[in-house]
Amino acid sequence: QVHLVQSGAEVKKPGSSVKVSCKASGGTFSSYAISWVRQAPGQGLEWMGGIIPILGIAKHAQKFQGRVTITADDNTSTAYMELSSLRSEDTALYYCARGYWETGTGDYHYNGMDVWGQGTTVTVSS
Amino acid sequence: SYVPTQPPSVSVAPGKTARITCGGNNIGRKSVHWYQQKPGQAPVVVMYYDSDRPSGTPERFSGSNSGNTATLTISRVEAGDEADYYCQVWDSSTDHSEVAFGGGTKLTVL
Repeated sequence: QVHLVQSGAEVKKPGSSVKVSCKASGGTFSSYAISWVRQAPGQGLEWMGGIIPILGIAKHAQKFQGRVTITADDNTSTAYMELSSLRSEDTALYYCARGYWETGTGDYHYNGMDVWGQGTTVTVSS
Repeated sequence: SYVPTQPPSVSVAPGKTARITCGGNNIGRKSVHWYQQKPGQAPVVVMYYDSDRPSGTPERFSGSNSGNTATLTISRVEAGDEADYYCQVWDSSTDHSEVAFGGGTKLTVL
C-alpha cells in the first residue's frame, strides 16, 4: 500500500518561492503520474501540474505557466513542486496525488488519482 | 479552457437517492473521475472512468456519462456520505491540455 508523505507547512513572503516535496513509500512510484493539486481556503480543487517519473516528462496548467516547476527523483521516489513569485492568492493547501496516465495524440493524459498526500499548507503573508 | 459544471449543493434525505451532475460540452466523450472530500481530509476517489468503482467504494455509488452530462449516483444515502464531491476530466480542447476539476458539489444529508 503506497503512501505519499509531504513536507511540512511553509510561511513565505510575497515574491519568494516555495518548494514542497512528496515522498512515496510502500509501493510503485515511477510508473504512475504524480499530480499537484491545490485548494485555497473554502474553495475547490485546482490542478497545478504533474510529472510522469518514468518518462521524466512534466506538465503544468496554463494558469501557472512560468511559475511552477515540477520534478521527480526516481532514486528516492520523491516528487517536488516549486512555485515562484508567490502572492497572497497562493495561500492554500497543496496536495500531491498519484494517478493513472495514458498516451494521447502527441500528449500524455492524466486520469484518476488514487492516492493523495496529507497536504502541505503554504501561507503567503508579508 | 474546459470547466466542468457542477451544482453547488445537493440535499437528500437518508435512504433516498442523490444524483450529482457534472456538465460540459460533449463530456460523454471524456473519461470522468469523481472524488469525495470530507472536512479536513484529502480527497478520495470514488469513481474512475465514468463508472468503475474502486475497491472500498460502496456498491451504493454508481456513475454514468453520456452526451453533455456525467452523473454520480448515490443510492440509499447515509449520513456518512455527506461531503464535497468533485468531478475531474482531462481537457484536451485547446492546445494546452490539462486536468480540469468541476467546482464541487456539497452533498447535505438532511
